[in-house]
Amino acid sequence: NAGVTQTPKFRILKIGQSMTLQCTQDMNHNYMYWYRQDPGMGLKLIYYSVGAGITDKGEVPNGYNVSRSTTEDFPLRLELAAPSQTSVYFCASSYYRQGGQPQHFGDGTRLSIL
Amino acid sequence: KQEVTQIPAALSVPEGENLVLNCSFTDSAIYNLQWFRQDPGKGLTSLLLIQSSQREQTSGRLNASLDKSSGRSTLYIAASQPGDSATYLCAAAYNNNDMRFGAGTRLTVKP
Repeated sequence: NAGVTQTPKFRILKIGQSMTLQCTQDMNHNYMYWYRQDPGMGLKLIYYSVGAGITDKGEVPNGYNVSRSTTEDFPLRLELAAPSQTSVYFCASSYYRQGGQPQHFGDGTRLSIL
Repeated sequence: KQEVTQIPAALSVPEGENLVLNCSFTDSAIYNLQWFRQDPGKGLTSLLLIQSSQREQTSGRLNASLDKSSGRSTLYIAASQPGDSATYLCAAAYNNNDMRFGAGTRLTVKP
């Protein structure tokens, strides 16, 4: 199994551009998450989804949008990129939350906004 | 505000030592607490998950404890090895589906 796959691995954007970070999981997990990790900091939750068609905001949602049309895919959209969005973005998934299933993470997308 | 703090930020030990990593959280109404390992340039790997009703979890040379009343968790690594070198993060999950991470402890085990 591939687990959680994120593309691209690296990207440089200019201020004001937009892009979509892709995330796909092949474990049939219901829950999916997007985090950002700034240097020397812990991860912060941007958005999460508890199933296809259902999404909700996390701690730092401003400047981002998500959609969940299928169980497998959970893309993160950046509109009007700003330097403050320079970060490493991680996608994660878990089967269900009850019982506290551990999250499986992708390897991240390193994004620089110049 | 729900915050998670990890001390120390970095730790260097000789191979074979036993060590303890600390994690504290301000809101004790946690759903569960997880310890993760992060290697450079990689995502996080879940090591241990402790439910709010549990006191500890063990996996091989790793033992994690949870004390909700004091807002603390510790990760104990026995007989450390160079392959244990990585950053270790703890994360507290809450009932609102939020998850708060510490900044991590960067561990170096010297041969």
